[in-house]
Amino acid sequence: GIQVEQSPPDLILQEGANSTLRCNFSDSVNNLQWFHQNPWGQLINLFYIPSGTKQNGRLSATTVATERYSLLYISSSQTTDSGVYFCAVVTGNQFYFGTGTSLTVIP
Amino acid sequence: DTEVTQTPKHLVMGMTNKKSLKCEQHMGHRAMYWYKQKAKKPPELMFVYSYEKLSINESVPSRFSPECPNSSLLNLHLHALQPEDSALYLCASSLGQGSPAQPQHFGDGTRLSIL
Repeated sequence: GIQVEQSPPDLILQEGANSTLRCNFSDSVNNLQWFHQNPWGQLINLFYIPSGTKQNGRLSATTVATERYSLLYISSSQTTDSGVYFCAVVTGNQFYFGTGTSLTVIP
Repeated sequence: DTEVTQTPKHLVMGMTNKKSLKCEQHMGHRAMYWYKQKAKKPPELMFVYSYEKLSINESVPSRFSPECPNSSLLNLHLHALQPEDSALYLCASSLGQGSPAQPQHFGDGTRLSIL
């Protein structure tokens, strides 16, 4: 099956800092989503982004499907951004989660 | 508030018990999913229902039995579970299964502990 790798696996930021999370995938995909899983386990949709760039407040995402990667940008990080960020790709009828990036934002 | 509702939020059961997890959505979605997530790991797909028919079973043990009574409801019946089945169980839905796939929307999950 398709391999979906995320980097870095762990990240610690000071509040107010910016960061970039990366998602690499090994084969062409039909679609890609970014999720934030908060410390209570809730999986929140961030972006549905098969290609191009989208922005939502302090977050933005870019997917370059031809080069098989996607980036999630977090600007002016806040403590509430802490949690695990997953990308997930769709190929055929299968939905694959990436390995995740665990983010801790300290005040 | 999430548009996919899962109950109960927490469940503790013995290995000989029978219990069920419930998932409900009213977004008109026709594909529904069960995932299992262990601590510090990504969710793993268990089952997919498309138009109320089981379309994917990822080699899940028979002690997990899914049911889709109608397009809004998805159940997961549990029987004779093992301690290693303790995990967060997530339900998701999407508009329909196929290509291009539609985004999945997740419920808040049920935290299951097997004694």
